[in-house]
Amino acid sequence: NAGVTQTPKFQVLKTGQSMTLQCAQDMNHEYMSWYRQDPGMGLRLIHYSVGAGITDQGEVPNGYNVSRSTTEDFPLRLLSAAPSQTSVYFCAAGQGLSEQYFGPGTRLTVT
Amino acid sequence: KQEVTQIPAALSVPEGENLVLNCSFTDSAIYNLQWFRQDPGKGLTSLLLIQSSQREQTSGRLNASLDKSSGRSTLYIAASQPGDSATYLCAAAPGKLQFGAGTQVVVTP
Repeated sequence: NAGVTQTPKFQVLKTGQSMTLQCAQDMNHEYMSWYRQDPGMGLRLIHYSVGAGITDQGEVPNGYNVSRSTTEDFPLRLLSAAPSQTSVYFCAAGQGLSEQYFGPGTRLTVT
Repeated sequence: KQEVTQIPAALSVPEGENLVLNCSFTDSAIYNLQWFRQDPGKGLTSLLLIQSSQREQTSGRLNASLDKSSGRSTLYIAASQPGDSATYLCAAAPGKLQFGAGTQVVVTP
């Protein structure tokens, strides 16, 4: 039982490039979410999903897209990377709004 | 909008001393409150979850209390050890999780 997995662990992008951060969970949880963590800013919610086919915006959604075609996967897409998106990205999963379990994170640098 | 505050931002204690970490939130209509531990360069590990109907939760040396009327939660770590050194985050959920900025703890041998 792996819990929440994220790939890649590290990524360097050039400004304007696109990429997808992968998140998968094997706990059959309905609720999944993406956060970014920046020094001095704490963790901020980007997008979340309450089940397959249902997504919604969080606090800082601009520049990011998500989709949820299965219960297990919740990828985060950066359409045109900007230096302001340099951050550590965490995916989380939970049964509704009960205990949330976090993945190990993806450290992204945009040059 | 829910705002979550953790004070102090950093704390250093000698081994064996009890740790007291504070978390304040502005909206008392929370669904639950969760405490996490984060080691440098790592993800978040869930420590304790307190439902809104509960006043406290315990796990080993950890005890977390919740007082919705005053908008406060406290995490107690008994008999601290150097391995307890980490950043501790609280998150309140009236809806989506709202995180505090964390308290960085150093336990010196």
